[in-house]
Amino acid sequence: AQTVTQSQPEMSVQEAETVTLSCTYDTSENNYYLFWYKQPPSRQMILVIRQEAYKQQNATENRFSVNFQKAAKSFSLKISDSQLGDTAMYFCAFGDSWGKFQFGAGTQVVVTP
Amino acid sequence: ETGVTQSPTHLIKTRGQQVTLRCSSQSGHNTVSWYQQALGQGPQFIFQYYREEENGRGNFPPRFSGLQFPNYSSELNVNALELDDSALYLCASSGRGQGWTDTQYFGPGTRLTVL
Repeated sequence: AQTVTQSQPEMSVQEAETVTLSCTYDTSENNYYLFWYKQPPSRQMILVIRQEAYKQQNATENRFSVNFQKAAKSFSLKISDSQLGDTAMYFCAFGDSWGKFQFGAGTQVVVTP
Repeated sequence: ETGVTQSPTHLIKTRGQQVTLRCSSQSGHNTVSWYQQALGQGPQFIFQYYREEENGRGNFPPRFSGLQFPNYSSELNVNALELDDSALYLCASSGRGQGWTDTQYFGPGTRLTVL
């Protein structure tokens, strides 16, 4: 069974600054996907970014980028030029080859003016 | 907006009752997954339906059951409700490829309170 660990319960960052969220996972599979989802207070879970394990290139989506270290089983998310609207709970998720997802406990990101 | 809808938005039940939650998947998606999210925690996988058949189940008792219909919408049924069933229930749809994981798109959730 896969496990996903997010070791930072809360992170605070000022507007326009950069914050990095950590995520580690444990799996014996070779083919899988990794995701970061954002859940604002409205509670709708929104996809931020995804990474295919077979790709060495790190995924980037506008201000969001990941640092995927497959050997270390690490998948961190960097939010650049933070905006007030980035305030939310961020979840790291592991998707196995059968489409089953395992989520971490989440990191609350608070962006302050 | 993901195109995934859930009903109802909120629900209050008492212990021992039964509840049915509904989910309409995004157009073109044939897979629906259900999650339970307790307050302050990450979503926990309940089960997944692919083309009307259960395709995997998490660590939840049999009183949690589901259905998927020909139009790929889905229901989650919970019998004999317990206080610990109080949570946000999330539905996610995806278009399953040939053994590849597809991105899951989530609905807004149903908040269930058991008194």
